Amino acid sequence: SYELTQPPSVSVSPGQTATITCSGDKLGDKFACWYQQKPGQSPVLVISQDSVRPLGIPERFSASNSGNTATLTISGTQTVDEADYYCQAWDSSTVVFGGGTKLTVL
Amino acid sequence: EVQLVQSGAEVKKPGESLKISCNGSGYNFATYWVAWVRQMPGKGLEWMGFIYPGDSDVRYNPSLPGHISISADKSLSTAYLQWTSLKASDTAMYYCARGQQHLVDNWFDPWGQGTLVTVSS
Repeated sequence: SYELTQPPSVSVSPGQTATITCSGDKLGDKFACWYQQKPGQSPVLVISQDSVRPLGIPERFSASNSGNTATLTISGTQTVDEADYYCQAWDSSTVVFGGGTKLTVL
Repeated sequence: EVQLVQSGAEVKKPGESLKISCNGSGYNFATYWVAWVRQMPGKGLEWMGFIYPGDSDVRYNPSLPGHISISADKSLSTAYLQWTSLKASDTAMYYCARGQQHLVDNWFDPWGQGTLVTVSS
């Protein structure tokens, strides 16, 4: 079955750029999306279709997808961005989530 | 406003049955896929399956044990996740989420508030 691999944790200082990766075989040939989940809350879509930001998501969130890696970038990271982030893709008629990355802003 | 509202928390014993619900509003419920996603305590998101309420086409995650069923009543704008015999390992938060109108390359937005299911003797 298809797998998406994310680093378990990423740390960043406030105001700096956070980069979270998601790796999968030929992931660039598929659409990747990203969700943010804060403690005790439901996931929220922050990026769809590789790089489309939904209404209401701050411009500091951007993403790309090429080769075997999708990347979520948060520019000017704020303390409110501290959360778990999950990538997701579609493969062979199934939905696949990455294992999640805990972003710590300190 | 597009919204998904789920039924409340449940505490059950092993072997009992359970059906939880997800009511959609603010859009044409019949024409968007609705997914169910499991999150076990302290763990990540796992797609369980989804349903197209318009014709009740259901797709399940082949990697997960097959003792759940997904259904929908489009007249009530409600999707359901059901177990016939719960296990302690079913203890988790369950989310429903609205997918897209197409099947392939689906993504999910918005998500319901979650239903916590606790299975304990």
